[in-house]
Amino acid sequence: QKEVEQNSGPLSVPEGAIASLNCTYSDRVSQSFFWYRQYSGKSPELIMSIYSNGDKEDGRFTAQLNKASQYVSLLIRDSQPSDSATYLCAVRYFGNEKLTFGTGTRLTIIP
Amino acid sequence: DGGITQSPKYLFRKEGQNVTLSCEQNLNHDAMYWYRQDPGQGLRLIYYSQIVNDFQKGDIAEGYSVSREKKESFPLTVTSAQKNPTAFYLCASSMSGQTVPAYSFQETQYFGPGTRLLVL
Repeated sequence: QKEVEQNSGPLSVPEGAIASLNCTYSDRVSQSFFWYRQYSGKSPELIMSIYSNGDKEDGRFTAQLNKASQYVSLLIRDSQPSDSATYLCAVRYFGNEKLTFGTGTRLTIIP
Repeated sequence: DGGITQSPKYLFRKEGQNVTLSCEQNLNHDAMYWYRQDPGQGLRLIYYSQIVNDFQKGDIAEGYSVSREKKESFPLTVTSAQKNPTAFYLCASSMSGQTVPAYSFQETQYFGPGTRLLVL
């Protein structure tokens, strides 16, 4: 069983709408959660990190963490064509220096 | 400029040949990582190192080898034993989970630009 799961998509969202990306993780002691954006042919770049239950906002991006339900989500408000990319969810488990990545969700913003 | 560099950008391997991918960082990070990414898939950890002269196998270490002789450098060798080496290889670094407070943003992993390995 995969430890971090994401819907592979593709997820299509009209420009200006809210894009919602979800990630679930296995029942282990979790520590830190990260969202990376990866453009085609490029390396991942960090978008958001979140460590505590609740919401964390940074510009148009909001990360939401619910440890009881074992999911973390990323909301992108006022979606732009430049947001079209694959979004990778990563989880770091307590006592483990490694990150476990999901397979990513491909997001397409339709002009 | 601080960052992570990888070279070459593209690498071609002939059957039976060993090839080495370079990764250098000037971020003064203790930990370095190698990942492999196949089309439509997430990142899979090959090897990682938290300190000079020490490294551990990741989830798919077979057919690969690494060294960590300097803090700044973590080269990856793809050996002839790796039968399906075609992939996008990503190097990353982080401050280190062992020395950084658990909830510090510094434990984030930052990625280099990647090397695309193709088999001739």
